[in-house]
Amino acid sequence: NAGVTQTPKFRVLKTGQSMTLLCAQDMNHEYMYWYRQDPGMGLRLIHYSVGEGTTAKGEVPDGYNVSRLKKQNFLLGLESAAPSQTSVYFCASGMSSYNSPLHFGNGTRLTVT
Amino acid sequence: AQSVTQLDSHVSVSEGTPVLLRCNYSSSYSPSLFWYVQHPNKGLQLLLKYTSAATLVKGINGFEAEFKKSETSFHLTKPSAHMSDAAEYFCVVRSDTGRRALTFGSGTRLQVQP
Repeated sequence: NAGVTQTPKFRVLKTGQSMTLLCAQDMNHEYMYWYRQDPGMGLRLIHYSVGEGTTAKGEVPDGYNVSRLKKQNFLLGLESAAPSQTSVYFCASGMSSYNSPLHFGNGTRLTVT
Repeated sequence: AQSVTQLDSHVSVSEGTPVLLRCNYSSSYSPSLFWYVQHPNKGLQLLLKYTSAATLVKGINGFEAEFKKSETSFHLTKPSAHMSDAAEYFCVVRSDTGRRALTFGSGTRLQVQP
């Protein structure tokens, strides 16, 4: 019963490098999300997807891109990492009903030097 | 637009005493409200959810929350704190618009003293 799985768990990048974070869910959820967590700011929505092949911007999308080629996977890309992107990133998935909760992965801790 | 406000950034209690974490919400309709808990260096775990079926909601690990429409509040309580309850707690509302995203409060860090 894996739920939501994020890889990698930790990563250190130099400024300007690129990387992709992978999120996979096995609950057949339509909706998937990427959040970032910074001290004192709760979680903020980066991008989201309401179904396979669809993506949309959240509150803080600048510097990130996403893709959802398969229903179970949602990828978050950083094309040119900046120190301001040092954060903990969480992926979540959920059903379309707004009464249902979201399920979260365990997070990816990213440091950009 | 919906929002939630957690009234305390930090709460400290002694083990065995009651816990109260306060949350106010702003919504023009009947909201879907949740409490999540995050232990240090861990992911977010659902504690409980309110979805209009009952105003008093029971969650895991002995936590409860009461939805009070007149006060626009959804406070989280537990009769007796355990050391293992030390964590960060988030009050959250889920949107009924297209994105169905969660909007998080800024969090309350619960410290439990022995």
